[in-house]
Amino acid sequence: DADVTQTPRNRITKTGKRIMLECSQTKGHDRMYWYRQDPGLGLRLIYYSFDVKDINKGEISDGYSVSRQAQAKFSLSLESAIPNQTALYFCATSDLGLAGSFEQFFGPGTRLTVL
Amino acid sequence: AQSVAQPEDQVNVAEGNPLTVKCTYSVSGNPYLFWYVQYPNRGLQFLLKYITGDNLVKGSYGFEAEFNKSQTSFHLKKPSALVSDSALYFCAVRDPLGTDKLIFGTGTRLQVFP
Repeated sequence: DADVTQTPRNRITKTGKRIMLECSQTKGHDRMYWYRQDPGLGLRLIYYSFDVKDINKGEISDGYSVSRQAQAKFSLSLESAIPNQTALYFCATSDLGLAGSFEQFFGPGTRLTVL
Repeated sequence: AQSVAQPEDQVNVAEGNPLTVKCTYSVSGNPYLFWYVQYPNRGLQFLLKYITGDNLVKGSYGFEAEFNKSQTSFHLKKPSALVSDSALYFCAVRDPLGTDKLIFGTGTRLQVFP
């Protein structure tokens, strides 16, 4: 979805390096999410944020941190990357669901390889 | 615990034939169910959802899904498959605790052969 952008799209790094993945959205949504996708495991939630002051851990937050710089921006950091963090990372957004929507809108993904 | 199961890693179907991609769920309360599709090198695209109402839900690209409460299933269907339907399909359920988190299945790869 062009309304949700992620940078970089691909990144190769070395063990121990600090990496930041960025997500921006123009949908005006309050809620933003970071997922990682691994083959055979589907998507797993890393962190989510319901507004700038509300950040919550997902099911696999260890080794990751996030920053919600503004309503439109949500960054994911790997403080010291390790090889098992090699994965495809997705950012997603959703609105408050007041209109009964609830679906999430995904960015194109960042393919991260940690050597 | 809330969960979604997609029992088939891959589904193969000939172009023009009907297709079904299976999904079962386990969630407390009324489920909010979704199907997403992922084409190569792309993000996930929303296909359809069931929140309430008619058990047969129609979505994008001619797909539909049938909600079956007694069997706790939400299978994705299409009457006539296209080669361009080949992709990875994910079923998901909204966290019933009201956080809007989605719990995803492991995905099913659909391969449509000419």
